[in-house]
Order: sequence, then C-alpha cells, then structure tokens
Amino acid sequence: LAKTTQPISMDSYEGQEVNITCSHNNIATNDYITWYQQFPSQGPRFIIQGYKTKVTNEVASLFIPADRKSSTLSLPRVSLSDTAVYYCLVGDLDSNYQLIWGAGTKLIIKP
Amino acid sequence: NAGVTQTPKFQVLKTGQSMTLQCAQDMNHEYMSWYRQDPGMGLRLIHYSVGAGITDQGEVPNGYNVSRSTTEDFPLRLLSAAPSQTSVYFCASRPTGGSGNTIYFGEGSWLTVV
Repeated sequence: LAKTTQPISMDSYEGQEVNITCSHNNIATNDYITWYQQFPSQGPRFIIQGYKTKVTNEVASLFIPADRKSSTLSLPRVSLSDTAVYYCLVGDLDSNYQLIWGAGTKLIIKP
Repeated sequence: NAGVTQTPKFQVLKTGQSMTLQCAQDMNHEYMSWYRQDPGMGLRLIHYSVGAGITDQGEVPNGYNVSRSTTEDFPLRLLSAAPSQTSVYFCASRPTGGSGNTIYFGEGSWLTVV
C-alpha cells in the first residue's frame, strides 16, 4: 500500500492560491491519487482525483508529474471557508478501502 | 437523497458496556466501511464490507464486530467498551465500477467511554 507524505500544516491568506504537495514515492501502476477535505466535526469530503498530468474541477486542480511520485493540490483564490484538513491518498480503483489515511495537512486561511 | 446516515451522533458509555452504532446508506453502494479518527490523526479502518453477507477486518478491528445483512445497513458493535475506544467513528460507502476512490462519509458519531 502506497504511503503518502504531506506537510503537517500551512497558512495562507484570503484570495491567494494555495498549493499542497504530497509525495508518494512507491505509488503503483494502478494507483490513482485522491484528495479529500475535512472540516471540524465532519466526515471527509472528496475533492479531486487523478492519474497523471492535470485534472481540474470546479473547486481545485491536481497536478501530477510524469513520474507520479508526487502530486500537488491547487486551490485558487482561497477564502476563510477553505480552512480545513486536506488528505492525499493513493490506491487502485478496487482497493477495498485499503487506503492509508495520514494526518493530512491542516490549512489555515487568514483574513 | 440522505446519503450516509449514522446514529447516534453522541454517546457516552461506561467501561464494559456494549452498544451498536448504526449506519445506513440509500445510494445502493456495495462497499461500506467503518473508520475511527482520534484527535489530530487520520482515519483508521476498522471493518469493511464489499457486499451483503461479506465483511472483513481493517487495520484496527479488535473490540468491534460488524454484520451486513442488507446492502443498505452496516452496523458496528462495540462488544465491551474500553476508554481506548473513545473516538469519532465514521461510516462510509463507495460505489463500484469506474468511480475511483470517491468515498461518501457520514457525519460521524462521537463516542466517549468513561
């Protein structure tokens, strides 16, 4: 099972772009990279998922280099409501929940 | 569409008591699971199920039982509560087939064992 490494915490300001990088050196060929967001007292919520290159949706972009040993979640123009913990996970599409959840990155957005 | 529903939201137990955390999903998902999350930590998988009648152990199964008699329901039973089981518990479900690792979580159940 691939293990991920993320910064423990990050600070930024409203209106800024925030990039959170995750390393996953032993990612397997069939593994996808998925990011979740968790607010206090709530369950995690799916943000974005990708396999290679770049994926963009209405809330974030995910950049994955060719070697796939890392990935970067990009949040454009953050607001105070983006303060949360962000988790990076890797696993194949049929991993039967055998995904390892690290401590995530605690992102604090300041006014 | 209610998604994943957990009950109770909060519970206080005495050491040695047993109880069941209920989980139901209305999305016809085959995969369901239970996680626990301790303060400042990530989620740890307790038990999971890939379909009705099938369950398996996750990373931290000791002290917990599960059953999956229907697609919709996946209760988690604490056999004899211990203070080490004080945690937040999340039930989750996931569709199969082409949806990747998109997992849907319930709102959580806060359990305190005294």
